[in-house]
Amino acid sequence: RKEVEQDPGPFNVPEGATVAFNCTYSNSASQSFFWYRQDCRKEPKLLMSVYSSGNEDGRFTAQLNRASQYISLLIRDSKLSDSATYLCVVNSGGYQKVTFGTGTKLQVIP
Amino acid sequence: ETGVTQTPRHLVMGMTNKKSLKCEQHLGHNAMYWYKQSAKKPLELMFVYSLEERVENNSVPSRFSPECPNSSHLFLHLHTLQPEDSALYLCASSQGDLPLFDYTDTQYFGPGTRLTVL
Repeated sequence: RKEVEQDPGPFNVPEGATVAFNCTYSNSASQSFFWYRQDCRKEPKLLMSVYSSGNEDGRFTAQLNRASQYISLLIRDSKLSDSATYLCVVNSGGYQKVTFGTGTKLQVIP
Repeated sequence: ETGVTQTPRHLVMGMTNKKSLKCEQHLGHNAMYWYKQSAKKPLELMFVYSLEERVENNSVPSRFSPECPNSSHLFLHLHTLQPEDSALYLCASSQGDLPLFDYTDTQYFGPGTRLTVL
């Protein structure tokens, strides 16, 4: 099993829709979780950090399920500008324990 | 945003060339990282420096040589690269307080250098 696993997509959704991605992780000792957004040929940019059960920022909600070892990202009222690849990052303790997923591609369609 | 800058943004080099990538962070962070991102693969950590001292080298080939002269600057020296080294090279920085980075330690990335090796 991969340390961090994401569905590569693409998820094609209409504008205004709600979409959710999951990210599963294998290390039960993982302490913190991050969602980054990466536009085509650009650098990853931090979207959200999750240290406990979840976090919310506007249209974006991240929820952590420690029992099932996954973290989800929910995007409400999708905008065209949300089209990007969303990277899940898991920190199991320290710089040497940071693992990136391969990303989930989202395409919001007009 | 100019928290972490990288130059050059694009680089094409032959297998016999020597070149260097530069990264600078303006966030007052203590740790800096080099990552390699190839198509359809997760980010691969190459090197980590904390307070100018290398603390991690993920079995990277010796044709990649990092240098960290101070906590704000990081270089990646390249020589005799192979075509499979073509990728996006990303620099990142984080607060990175020793002795063990806190689990809340968050990395911020530069725009990357897109490298093509002919």
